[in-house]
Amino acid sequence: AQTVTQSQPEMSVQEAETVTLSCTYDTSESDYYLFWYKQPPSRQMILVIRQEAYKQQNATENRFSVNFQKAAKSFSLKISDSQLGDAAMYFCAYRSNSGYALNFGKGTSLLVTP
Amino acid sequence: DAGVIQSPRHEVTEMGQEVTLRCKPISGHNSLFWYRQTMMRGLELLIYFNNNVPIDDSGMPEDRFSAKMPNASFSTLKIQPSEPRDSAVYFCASSLDSMGELFFGSGTQLSVL
Repeated sequence: AQTVTQSQPEMSVQEAETVTLSCTYDTSESDYYLFWYKQPPSRQMILVIRQEAYKQQNATENRFSVNFQKAAKSFSLKISDSQLGDAAMYFCAYRSNSGYALNFGKGTSLLVTP
Repeated sequence: DAGVIQSPRHEVTEMGQEVTLRCKPISGHNSLFWYRQTMMRGLELLIYFNNNVPIDDSGMPEDRFSAKMPNASFSTLKIQPSEPRDSAVYFCASSLDSMGELFFGSGTQLSVL
């Protein structure tokens, strides 16, 4: 089974600054999808960004971008110009191209300070 | 669309009682998932339905857990009898198909005393 590791249980960033959340994964497959989900205190899981493994270009969604290093099996999330509303748990997730289940990491709690 | 709707939002019950969690997926979505979130184990897939048929229930912890999807707009997750170790947040999620973007409900916080 594929495992997803988030080595930072907690991170802190000042408003307007940039922060990077780390994620590594283990797989023997060549085709798969990677995701970052945000879980604010409201509990709802919200998709932040998605990356297809066959695409070399890193995905970007407004202030959110990823650094996808396929050979290193690394998938970090960069949040630029951090806002107070970015404070949440962030989960990295993996899905095989031939499967349906998302395998989640344990999450990183992001604190944004004024 | 109102998104994936789960009820109740919170449930507190006593050990041994039956608990039923409910989910209404997004209209038109044919894939439905139940996940459980705990501090110790994180998010785990319990069961996956496709076109109302259970495809993978390997994540269901034991026979006390059962899930049904009688039609495309409704699913239940039942725990009978409940135990304190079942305390967790239970999420329902749906997608257009098995490979589509997953939309989560707000979850049910279950506390078994």
